Order: sequence, then C-alpha cells, then structure tokens
Amino acid sequence: DTAVSQTPKYLVTQMGNDKSIKCEQNLGHDTMYWYKQDSKKFLKIMFSYNNKELIINETVPNRFSPKSPDKAHLNLHINSLELGDSAVYFCASSQDFSTDTQYFGPGTRLTVL
Amino acid sequence: GDSVTQMEGPVTLSEEACLTINCTYTATGYPSLFWYVQYPGEGLQLLLKATKADDKGSNKGFEATYRKETTSFHLEKGSVQVSDSAVYFCALSVHNQGGKLIFGQGTELSVKP
Repeated sequence: DTAVSQTPKYLVTQMGNDKSIKCEQNLGHDTMYWYKQDSKKFLKIMFSYNNKELIINETVPNRFSPKSPDKAHLNLHINSLELGDSAVYFCASSQDFSTDTQYFGPGTRLTVL
Repeated sequence: GDSVTQMEGPVTLSEEACLTINCTYTATGYPSLFWYVQYPGEGLQLLLKATKADDKGSNKGFEATYRKETTSFHLEKGSVQVSDSAVYFCALSVHNQGGKLIFGQGTELSVKP
C-alpha cells in the first residue's frame, strides 16, 4: 500500500504552460507539505497545510497555488511555468504540524523546456 | 535563521568501512533532529530521529546522538554496505513553526564492493 503518492512521476512541458501535480496520502495524517528539490539536491519547503488550511507559505511566487480539497489531498498548480521551475517536487505528510516525522512521496520531476 | 550544515560529499568508501557524516545546526528554538535517506530515483525515507538532548537515534546499524552542547547530530555506521549508497540529509524541525523541515545540503555516499 502506497502511503504518499504523487502523479505524475515525470512532467515535461513548455515555458508559459500551466500544470498541476497531485498528491494523496492514505495515512490519516492531518498535515501535508510540498518541498522543492533543485538540481543540486537541496530541499526547501514551499507550503504546508493542516486540515485543509494553509499554515506555511515560504515566499513562493504566486504562480504556485496549492489546493487542498480534503485533508488527504494536496495538489500543486503552477501557472506560467518558467525554466527555473524545473526541479523535483516532493509531497509529504505528518500526523500533525508539530515536529512529527514526515513521510515523503516518490517525487515529481518537472522539466520546463 | 535556523539552518543545518552537513559535510560536503561525495563520500566514497569501501564495503565494511566506518562512516561518519557530520551535521551541525543553528536553531532559535529547541529542535527535533532527523536523518533522512534518499535512494536513487526515490523519495526521502526517515532513517532516524532524536527529539531531545542526549537522545540517540538508531536504525539499520546507523546511529546519531543529539549533542546540544556542540549543536551536532553526526551520523555514524560501523560497517557500510553497497546497499547504503544513497544521499543522506540531516534536518531539523522547530516546534511552533508549522512542522517545516529545514534540510542540510545532503551528502552523497557511494560504497564500493
């Protein structure tokens, strides 16, 4: 059973397009996150949601819009894609937003041409 | 601000060699500390964690001790295997900051037979 799943695994698109990445967790967790991993493998948090409410927005451009239809899903929509958006995006979840262990999805590799 | 610094990689070892990956942190609060591992093409998995000073986290032969006096959380293993080849991330999470993980830059480990 997959705990945290993401779709798609790979996404190749042209500059200026709009795309979405979906994330689902079946762990019954309250909190979900998006992280970005750049080409040097550096990981940085983008957003976190707790029970469908935004609790962290780490100065991410407003072209990135997360949406949480329920606490098991956190999708990431990106408008007007730029070359610098190319990265691996990881979804994660945790029981709550204390300092609990986070469980990561397999990642979505986004390539903007 | 809060930050994590890891020793630079890549680290190349022969099978059965001893491993130490240094990690030091700066935090305004009282953090929990984590080591995550990323195998090629996969997401991150929690390797071990420690939530208070002098705690020792351990898993799969890896150990790390939370040293508040030196603000360190070095990862150690007495005898590495080829299957340990991966990227290792040290991370911290501070209470009341929405659960976000702050990662070090990652250390790539390659173990040769």
